Amino acid sequence: EVQLLESGGGLVQPGGSLRLSCAASGFTFSIYAMAWVRQAPGKGLEWVSGISGSAGRTYSADSVKGRFTISRDDSKNTLYLQMNNLRAEDTALYYCTKDQYYFASWGQGTLVTVSS
Amino acid sequence: DIQLTQSPSTLSASVGDRVTITCRASQSVSSWLAWYQLKPGKAPKLLIYKASTLESGVPSRFSGSGSGTEFTLTISSLQPDDFATYYCQQYNSYSLTFGGGTKVEIK
Repeated sequence: EVQLLESGGGLVQPGGSLRLSCAASGFTFSIYAMAWVRQAPGKGLEWVSGISGSAGRTYSADSVKGRFTISRDDSKNTLYLQMNNLRAEDTALYYCTKDQYYFASWGQGTLVTVSS
Repeated sequence: DIQLTQSPSTLSASVGDRVTITCRASQSVSSWLAWYQLKPGKAPKLLIYKASTLESGVPSRFSGSGSGTEFTLTISSLQPDDFATYYCQQYNSYSLTFGGGTKVEIK
């Protein structure tokens, strides 16, 4: 059974940084693409960033390009999202998802709140 | 980026009703479209991918159709568990994008 467990969310001031982690189990992590998707309070879903299997290509939404970096450690079966220069509009529940194009497996999410 | 416009944004329906949600793309996404169901406090659930392929375990009352720029999600007979918000998502090109959502409410 695929399990994705996010961590690392919390309250951070505007301009601050945070690193999210996603521990994966139940599948061969290294061969699968992974992604982050977020949902701001009262808003819809927004794809944030994706990474191909074996730390290949990365992709990011324009809204986070240059501020967020997706990475993975296949030896630890863990996906990361380094978030720098955070803004109020980055406040959201961040989901870790498996696969590159559409998403059948999701974690429960970790909440990031950007506020002074 | 490809924009996805869902209609209606809110839909009031009764148990047993046939419900149709539309998703229109700003440019062709071929058949590279998925549908999700969201409920408060739960992770999103994939219902349909490649426009019309039912995800394993999803009830057959859900169906998807369309190609190019116009797509529909149909629930043939609405059940109490189906009251939720539904999103379409295109994966024809990066950046991946979602529609604005359609909330299905109890009439």
